[in-house]
Amino acid sequence: AQKVTQAQTEISVVEKEDVTLDCVYETRDTTYYLFWYKQPPSGELVFLIRRNSFDEQNEISGRYSWNFQKSTSSFNFTITASQVVDSAVYFCALGLEYGNKLVFGAGTILRVKS
Amino acid sequence: DTEVTQTPKHLVMGMTNKKSLKCEQHMGHRAMYWYKQKAKKPPELMFVYSYEKLSINESVPSRFSPECPNSSLLNLHLHALQPEDSALYLCASSQFEQTNTEAFFGQGTRLTVV
Repeated sequence: AQKVTQAQTEISVVEKEDVTLDCVYETRDTTYYLFWYKQPPSGELVFLIRRNSFDEQNEISGRYSWNFQKSTSSFNFTITASQVVDSAVYFCALGLEYGNKLVFGAGTILRVKS
Repeated sequence: DTEVTQTPKHLVMGMTNKKSLKCEQHMGHRAMYWYKQKAKKPPELMFVYSYEKLSINESVPSRFSPECPNSSLLNLHLHALQPEDSALYLCASSQFEQTNTEAFFGQGTRLTVV
């Protein structure tokens, strides 16, 4: 069975602080895909990144970076120099090679205060 | 254009009403989805359409009736809903049904059943 755990229910930081959102996943499949989505108060889930299980390279996109470690089944997300606009709910999700259902974590609420 | 458009954005309906939610995408995606999201919870999959055919029905009550008139449109017909059906309803699309491709979400319809 597949499972995604986001242990941090809510995180509050002050603007310009760095913050890391944790994601731990479980699957027995060797080929799988990991995603991060951002959900601002407007409601839309915004796609941030997709990573396949064979690509363990870390990725950086502007202030965002992702650390994928198969050894610990983790796919953590770091925001550098956080901004108020980063305030949102962030979901980590797992998809399988031949699956047709994303498994979402419970989400982490990030509050960035000015 | 990576946009999924949902209408209406807000809907209040009585338990005896019939209403429809609409979703449109013009990315040429062949899979479209309906999700239900309660407050402070991750999205829950309701239905998946692949190539305009219903692929997955997650045991959703018959008071929710999906329809896919063509490859760009997805409707969700609502009838005799209960107050506990109040939620954010999200539409999404992806290139194919498999979860190895990213899904793009609309802003959702906030439904209140009174």
